Amino acid sequence: DAMVIQNPRYQVTQFGKPVTLSCSQTLNHNVMYWYQQKSSQAPKLLFHYYDKDFNNEADTPDNFQSRRPNTSFCFLDIRSPGLGDAAMYLCATSRWGTDTQYFGPGTRLTVL
Amino acid sequence: GESVGLHLPTLSVQEGDNSIINCAYSNSASDYFIWYKQESGKGPQFIIDIRSNMDKRQGQRVTVLLNKTVKHLSLQIAATQPGDSAVYFCAEKSGAAGNKLTFGGGTRVLVKP
Repeated sequence: DAMVIQNPRYQVTQFGKPVTLSCSQTLNHNVMYWYQQKSSQAPKLLFHYYDKDFNNEADTPDNFQSRRPNTSFCFLDIRSPGLGDAAMYLCATSRWGTDTQYFGPGTRLTVL
Repeated sequence: GESVGLHLPTLSVQEGDNSIINCAYSNSASDYFIWYKQESGKGPQFIIDIRSNMDKRQGQRVTVLLNKTVKHLSLQIAATQPGDSAVYFCAEKSGAAGNKLTFGGGTRVLVKP
């Protein structure tokens, strides 16, 4: 089945220790998104890629970076995680020109 | 800025009854609306969507109603089941926003047996 996959599902890191979250998709969608979702809140868009074109949200901290080496994969790098970065990180995909976004299962990040 | 919001944070429903989840939006240029269901510890799951040229769309046990006059969106779930217990988010998009969705705050639905 075509799907959005996120690894790992749970990630524990130490304060200040860089961490990378992974997303892959078999939908062959050209747009990929990273969202941050804190408890009992709506997903908050961090950035998205249209193909290799990176689009950062104005309020996304510099601490958050992303890489998209090819159509299928996208990575979220948190350079120096703080306690406030503990959250669920969601990856989503869509096809440009269509509106529906399909989400992965998320990675729950804990910062100690 | 423009926003999408929900009236009720928690909705308790008796199993078998119908559920109605409401959502208000403020961007009159919004042309696409979508409902997601998010179960605990999982990613949002697409339920149903509707474009601004429609006022009603039906799926399996779900109906979305759009009232553009008052900028109101609702999701109706027929014969609510325990598996419907989740948080439901509405989201909207305007053509000017490209592919970006603006999410509402979410409503938790609790189904009582």
